[in-house]
Formats: sequence, structure tokens, C-alpha cells
Amino acid sequence: AQSVTQPDIHITVSEGASLELRCNYSYGATPYLFWYVQSPGQGLQLLLKYFSGDTLVQGIKGFEAEFKRSQSSFNLRKPSVHWSDAAEYFCAVVNPSGSARQLTFGSGTQLTVLP
Amino acid sequence: KAGVTQTPRYLIKTRGQQVTLSCSPISGHRSVSWYQQTPGQGLQFLFEYFSETQRNKGNFPGRFSGRQFSNSRSEMNVSTLELGDSALYLCASSLMTGGADEQFFGPGTRLTVL
Repeated sequence: AQSVTQPDIHITVSEGASLELRCNYSYGATPYLFWYVQSPGQGLQLLLKYFSGDTLVQGIKGFEAEFKRSQSSFNLRKPSVHWSDAAEYFCAVVNPSGSARQLTFGSGTQLTVLP
Repeated sequence: KAGVTQTPRYLIKTRGQQVTLSCSPISGHRSVSWYQQTPGQGLQFLFEYFSETQRNKGNFPGRFSGRQFSNSRSEMNVSTLELGDSALYLCASSLMTGGADEQFFGPGTRLTVL
């Protein structure tokens, strides 16, 4: 069964500092990969996704992620964090074969931004 | 274009009762999926509907059921509520069914079971 690991439960960074959130997946083939963000009381918003091609993916709000097949990783990065980035971030995968739309999520990383 | 809407936003029930949650997808979207979010178990897939047919189901007991109407609106029902059913229930819609389509999430329904 596919699984997603986000090893960092909570990360604290200062505003303006760079950010990297880690995500590792376990799956037989390369799944479709996603990063979502959830602000308090809100649903999930898609930041970016990777299906194939260029391994560096650009998303919204200045985020990017790099797919590394050899490490089964899809880490999320941002060069300069803003206070409004404080939220919970989820990495997710989808089986690329068949018609299933089921997202399998990691446990999330809570980001705190210090002024 | 209006986003995914879920009603009600908050709900309080007691053990043993049943509850129905509603989800209206983005106009034109035909696939609706449901997820349960709890602090202990995280985000877990419940089921997916496409063109009124359940396409996929997660590992939840039969107390959890759903359906989709011809206008793509979906409902999920939980019968004989247990304390552990307290969660945020999220609905997501996508244009088609298939792994490459982006799923758009609603704000969720917060269910509290007392």
C-alpha cells in the first residue's frame, strides 16, 4: 500500500527565512504528487502538483517542490517565508494507474512563522 | 466561479444519532470525494462518486455511506454515531475522474459527537 511520510510535525521559522518541508513516499511506481495547505478553519488549497516531466515544480504563493526519484521525495521549498504562510502543510499522492482519485495524505507539518 | 460548498459548517450530535452532510461541487465537476480529518488519524479517504456511482471506497465501516445526485451534488450519511466520529469532514470535487485532475476542497463540516 502506498504511504506518505512527513517527518517534521512542527517547524518554526522566522519571517524572511527560507523553508523546506520534507515529504517521502512509498509506492511501487512514481505516483502523482501534491502539496496542499490548510489554514485554520479552512479546507485544503492545492499549492502544486507533479505528474511527470521537469522535476522542479513551481506553485502558487512562491512555493516550489523538487521530485527526486532516487530518494522517493517531494520536498516543498520557499526562499522567503511570509507571516501569512503560517498554516499546516500536507503532502499527498495518487495512484497514477486506473481511475481512482483517492488522495493518500501525510500526517502534515505545522508551520509557525516568527515575526 | 463558486467553489465547493458544504453544509452545514458545524454540527453537534449525540451518540447513536445519525447525520447527513451535504456537498455541492464546483459547477461542471462530476467527481466528488469525501475525506475525514481527525487529530489522531489525519486525513483519510472515505469514498468517491462519479456520475452517481461510487467509484472507490476507503476503509470505513458500513455506518458511513454516501450518494450522488444527477446534478453532482453529494451527501454523506453516518448512522449510529460514535464519539470517534467527531471530525472535520471535507468534500472535494474534480472535473473528471482520473488521477491527474486537481481536487478542489470545500471548507468542511465540523461534526462533534457528544
